[in-house]
Amino acid sequence: GENVEQHPSTLSVQEGDSAVIKCTYSDSASNYFPWYKQELGKRPQLIIDIRSNVGEKKDQRIAVTLNKTAKHFSLHITETQPEDSAVYFCAAPANQAGTALIFGKGTTLSVSS
Amino acid sequence: DGGITQSPKYLFRKEGQNVTLSCEQNLNHDAMYWYRQDPGQGLRLIYYSQIVNDFQKGDIAEGYSVSREKKESFPLTVTSAQKNPTAFYLCASSAGTGANTEAFFGQGTRLTVV
Repeated sequence: GENVEQHPSTLSVQEGDSAVIKCTYSDSASNYFPWYKQELGKRPQLIIDIRSNVGEKKDQRIAVTLNKTAKHFSLHITETQPEDSAVYFCAAPANQAGTALIFGKGTTLSVSS
Repeated sequence: DGGITQSPKYLFRKEGQNVTLSCEQNLNHDAMYWYRQDPGQGLRLIYYSQIVNDFQKGDIAEGYSVSREKKESFPLTVTSAQKNPTAFYLCASSAGTGANTEAFFGQGTRLTVV
């Protein structure tokens, strides 16, 4: 089955700085890589995802890059704001059938103003 | 906050008792999932179901059981065999029968076993 490793576990940045969170996966057949954001006391919500046929996807201040050869994908947040403070999870399909997601252990991002 | 509803939000049980967590969705999603969230452990997959009357074990299924008698409902029972049941439990659903679409999460149930 798939194994997803996420780093770092905590990340502190100043408002306006960039933040990068990296995940590695083990199954070379995996083809879908979403990122979820969980604010304190709330449910996880999808913020961006990428499929294996592209190398990068952007949505305003958020971008995700994928390196299939190295089997890693990264979340990039530019011009961070205090409201970006949350726990971020990466994920990948649990098996080749792609019937469930396996999540990384999460990164707690703190943005100080 | 419609879509997928978990109840109750907080649940307390005595050790040795079975307890059932409710998860209902009105999104007409085929797939439903149960995850357990512990500090520093991320979201760990307990069980998932792609269609009615069918479900599969996830990574940490021991001590848990599920049923999928209706498309809208996917209850999770935490049995007395689960050694560390105190945790935050999240239910999710997604359209289609694959994990390559957005998963929508419920608000979670915090279970405390004393």
